[in-house]
Amino acid sequence: GENVEQHPSTLSVQEGDSAVIKCTYSDSASNYFPWYKQELGKRPQLIIDIRSNVGEKKDQRIAVTLNKTAKHFSLHITETQPEDSAVYFCAAARGSARQLTFGSGTQLTVLP
Amino acid sequence: DAGVIQSPRHEVTEMGQEVTLRCKPISGHNSLFWYRQTMMRGLELLIYFNNNVPIDDSGMPEDRFSAKMPNASFSTLKIQPSEPRDSAVYFCASSFDRTNEKLFFGSGTQLSVL
Repeated sequence: GENVEQHPSTLSVQEGDSAVIKCTYSDSASNYFPWYKQELGKRPQLIIDIRSNVGEKKDQRIAVTLNKTAKHFSLHITETQPEDSAVYFCAAARGSARQLTFGSGTQLTVLP
Repeated sequence: DAGVIQSPRHEVTEMGQEVTLRCKPISGHNSLFWYRQTMMRGLELLIYFNNNVPIDDSGMPEDRFSAKMPNASFSTLKIQPSEPRDSAVYFCASSFDRTNEKLFFGSGTQLSVL
């Protein structure tokens, strides 16, 4: 089955700096890569996703890049703000949401 | 839409007791998932249903766990008998079963087994 590894497990940045979280996956047939943000005590919420037919996708301050050859994808957050502090999960799926495999999560702390 | 609705939000019970968690998926969604989240193991898929039929329950820990989906708008996850190691946050999620459709999570049930 699919295996998703996520790094780093914790990340602290100064407000206004950029943050980058990286994931690798094992199944070359995976073609859908969502990112979820989970604030303390709350549900995971989808923030951005990318499909295998594109290499990059942006939504305001967040972007995701995908390298299919190397089987890795990354989340980039620019101009970080304290409200970006949360746990971020990457995931990979082949075909549909039911085959989502999650990474272990990254605790992002944005220091004021 | 109110999103995926789970109840209860918190459950505290004693070892050996039966626990039932409930979920109402988003209207129109035909796939439903139960996840368990712990610090040690992260987010684990326990079981998923498609059109009310269990498709893959390979993530269910053992026979003490069972899940049902009697209709398109309701699912339960039951643990009988419960054990302290079952303490976790249990999330229900739903999606519309087309290729690469997005997954939406409920607020979760924080289960504590004493």
